[in-house]
Amino acid sequence: KQEVTQIPAALSVPEGENLVLNCSFTDSAIYNLQWFRQDPGKGLTSLLLIQSSQREQTSGRLNASLDKSSGRSTLYIAASQPGDSATYLCAVGGSGNTPLVFGKGTRLSVIA
Amino acid sequence: GAVVSQHPSWVICKSGTSVKIECRSLDFQATTMFWYRQFPKQSLMLMATSNEGSKATYEQGVEKDKFLINHASLTLSTLTVTSAHPEDSSFYICVNDGYTFGSGTRLTVV
Repeated sequence: KQEVTQIPAALSVPEGENLVLNCSFTDSAIYNLQWFRQDPGKGLTSLLLIQSSQREQTSGRLNASLDKSSGRSTLYIAASQPGDSATYLCAVGGSGNTPLVFGKGTRLSVIA
Repeated sequence: GAVVSQHPSWVICKSGTSVKIECRSLDFQATTMFWYRQFPKQSLMLMATSNEGSKATYEQGVEKDKFLINHASLTLSTLTVTSAHPEDSSFYICVNDGYTFGSGTRLTVV
């Protein structure tokens, strides 16, 4: 059974810092991996989707990498801003009609 | 792109009543809909998988008679929380097989 772990569970950084969020998964036979952002009391916003054949994806200040063989992904946030404060969730998807398996998330606070 | 419209976005109900949550796939036919719930400060946990025209598959520990799932068409899946109790208060969210998310429903049972 796939298990997804995110480290750290919470992170507080001053504005402007670059930071890395980590995600690991136990079964490397994944179809894709997604990073989401969730604001308190809100739904999920998809940030980056990496297919299993890809190594990384970039969007603005965000860069996500995927090392499928080692079961790891990182989300790099450059020049963090207070507006980046949220919970970041990692989820892996299998092939076909299989549900996403989510990690518990990393709660990020960027202090102005 | 594909959109999943989820309603209501929030609901407060009394203990013992039932609440229905709807997810409609717009411009997309979803054979499968995944239903998740999220307790405060916890991650999203899969409750059940619904397939159009067949019975839903429930995850271990999820009561199928309490959480009724109907997927009568390729565009509509519903989750009904029957005889709701305060411990059912949670954030419920649907995801179709194209990995398009509904916006979620925050249920508070008082």
